[in-house]
Amino acid sequence: GEEVAQTPKHLVRGEGQKAKLYCAPIKGHSYVFWYQQVLKNEFKFLISFQNENVFDETGMPKERFSAKCLPNSPCSLEIQATKLEDSAVYFCASSQSGQGVREQYFGPGTRLTVT
Amino acid sequence: GQQVMQIPQYQHVQEGEDFTTYCNSSTTLSNIQWYKQRPGGHPVFLIQLVKSGEVKKQKRLTFQFGEAKKNSSLHITATQTTDVGTYFCAGNTGFQKLVFGTGTRLLVSP
Repeated sequence: GEEVAQTPKHLVRGEGQKAKLYCAPIKGHSYVFWYQQVLKNEFKFLISFQNENVFDETGMPKERFSAKCLPNSPCSLEIQATKLEDSAVYFCASSQSGQGVREQYFGPGTRLTVT
Repeated sequence: GQQVMQIPQYQHVQEGEDFTTYCNSSTTLSNIQWYKQRPGGHPVFLIQLVKSGEVKKQKRLTFQFGEAKKNSSLHITATQTTDVGTYFCAGNTGFQKLVFGTGTRLLVSP
């Protein structure tokens, strides 16, 4: 498709529950990125993939967050045992491969509320 | 780690007034991108600057990359209500990773 798709739009979880978010990048894009945006509007980089391989995971809180991009499946971001501070909008973005850094196309986001 | 700060955090202007947001990186950048996020929306790519001292224009928007490649600015001439949103710069240091600035929220009153 020509747009990055993210599901679900909204997700409510009780503290300690698991949350799983999905992202379908634009067809033909090699890179997928996950960002967390909290109420202050700041974007925190979480992880990026080049095709199905983890490219950069320096932003991931590894003890509870995990992510995958498997062939022929939407990418996913999973949070085990959610905490109140995980409440945020999670954006997925994709970009083409090529020389240099390309522009990123963002999905509509998934709003996660942890109660 | 690398930090990218933007000022001001917030600006409220009357329609027709000009607006400028400034972006400063703690490290030298390979390039810089600008994104606009409307309230409740997602970031939308505006432009990328690569060369030292580069200036690019898009209609009423003028983007500049500093000579030292550590700062950038976005200037909007004669703002319109459709310019409302948060403007983010995003710096890149040579790998497929953007470090987003803190954002400047623009409000335009008719």
